[in-house]
Amino acid sequence: DTGVSQDPRHKITKRGQNVTFRCDPISEHNRLYWYRQTLGQGPEFLTYFQNEAQLEKSRLLSDRFSAERPKGSFSTLEIQRTEQGDSAMYLCASSKVGGQGPDNEQFFGPGTRLTVL
Amino acid sequence: GNSVTQMEGPVTLSEEAFLTINCTYTATGYPSLFWYVQYPGEGLQLLLKATKADDKGSNKGFEATYRKETTSFHLEKGSVQVSDSAVYFCALRGSNTGKLIFGQGTTLQVKP
Repeated sequence: DTGVSQDPRHKITKRGQNVTFRCDPISEHNRLYWYRQTLGQGPEFLTYFQNEAQLEKSRLLSDRFSAERPKGSFSTLEIQRTEQGDSAMYLCASSKVGGQGPDNEQFFGPGTRLTVL
Repeated sequence: GNSVTQMEGPVTLSEEAFLTINCTYTATGYPSLFWYVQYPGEGLQLLLKATKADDKGSNKGFEATYRKETTSFHLEKGSVQVSDSAVYFCALRGSNTGKLIFGQGTTLQVKP
């Protein structure tokens, strides 16, 4: 399977703990996105990378959230000092874009469901 | 800022009925518009897209036309099937960014 993969699929943690999620994009894709989805809502943009550069970050993203894509392949999303309000599905997507051209289709992974107790 | 508004669900239809799910947007510049679908237990999948005004996206019998004058991108299907039961999301991508902005989603349930 060459789709977007995410690990873990489920994470239960206690308030105040740190958690880290991993996303492996489709191999030839140079853009990688993180979104958050709460129950009954559409996905909400968090941040995205082109290769290893973080191009945009949502103003809604608190300082407790950090994302990296050190080698331009997989990415990690870390949440420090988790709060109950962080409980959500965290989605990763990837796409391929060339030069100044338009972004191609974003392919989504299955998501990591976070529950903060 | 850019935003997307979808009609609230759930929408319940009988098989072979006509489907319309309304989507309107607010955006500066010339956004691209998308419909994504999430089947039960599965991830988000692109259903169709349109990148400029008057474009019609189509896939699997679904259609949507990019209407700049009414800032709308309504999803339609002439005859729904039970297998179309899913959550449908309208989304836009601004002209100078890669991020998608989604509506809140509309649940469709098709009964036999």
